[in-house]
Amino acid sequence: SAVISQKPSRDICQRGTSLTIQCQVDSQVTMMFWYRQQPGQSLTLIATANQGSEATYESGFVIDKFPISRPNLTFSTLTVSNMSPEDSSIYLCSATGVRTNEKLFFGSGTQLSVL
Amino acid sequence: ELKVEQNPLFLSMQEGKNYTIYCNYSTTSDRLYWYRQDPGKSLESLFVLLSNGAVKQEGRLMASLDTKARLSTLHITAAVHDLSATYFCAVHDQGAQKLVFGQGTRLTINP
Repeated sequence: SAVISQKPSRDICQRGTSLTIQCQVDSQVTMMFWYRQQPGQSLTLIATANQGSEATYESGFVIDKFPISRPNLTFSTLTVSNMSPEDSSIYLCSATGVRTNEKLFFGSGTQLSVL
Repeated sequence: ELKVEQNPLFLSMQEGKNYTIYCNYSTTSDRLYWYRQDPGKSLESLFVLLSNGAVKQEGRLMASLDTKARLSTLHITAAVHDLSATYFCAVHDQGAQKLVFGQGTRLTINP
């Protein structure tokens, strides 16, 4: 299995500011992903974080709004830029790889509220 | 485009009863996942199903996969209150190399 540490666990932010969420995995993983879960909803994939190259974004999500970094095989960050109340959501980091036996593990999530 | 549908979306049941949650998906896939999410918490991995006819069991939960019908079921046996949670299925999109999640089934088990 894999242990994924995500921080911050929650934050309340002002409109127009940015927040960076960090995700640290306790072992090397092949794939890392960032999801958004709006209240009472399912999970929506934001992007796949690629090690050493630009992230692959899903339809409806753009790099200027959600810049992602993945400098190595165990760490990634997601920034939510120029926030508005519509960005209030839970953001989840996830990871999978050979050592996780095909399972996709999730971090504890970041609950973001934008005022 | 891969689509995943769960039903029911809401389920209220009594302790001791059996019930099944269904997960249908629209295109061929090589694996399917079931997750549990408690309120305010992250997702806990329950099962990974990799082949047709796969069946996995953990306690009162049993998951199965029929790849020909593109259907997975999560069966709850003799439900207990602790199983109250939201359950998600997620299907691997082989082309896009990503998971597509169902809408989730919010399960409430009443004493």
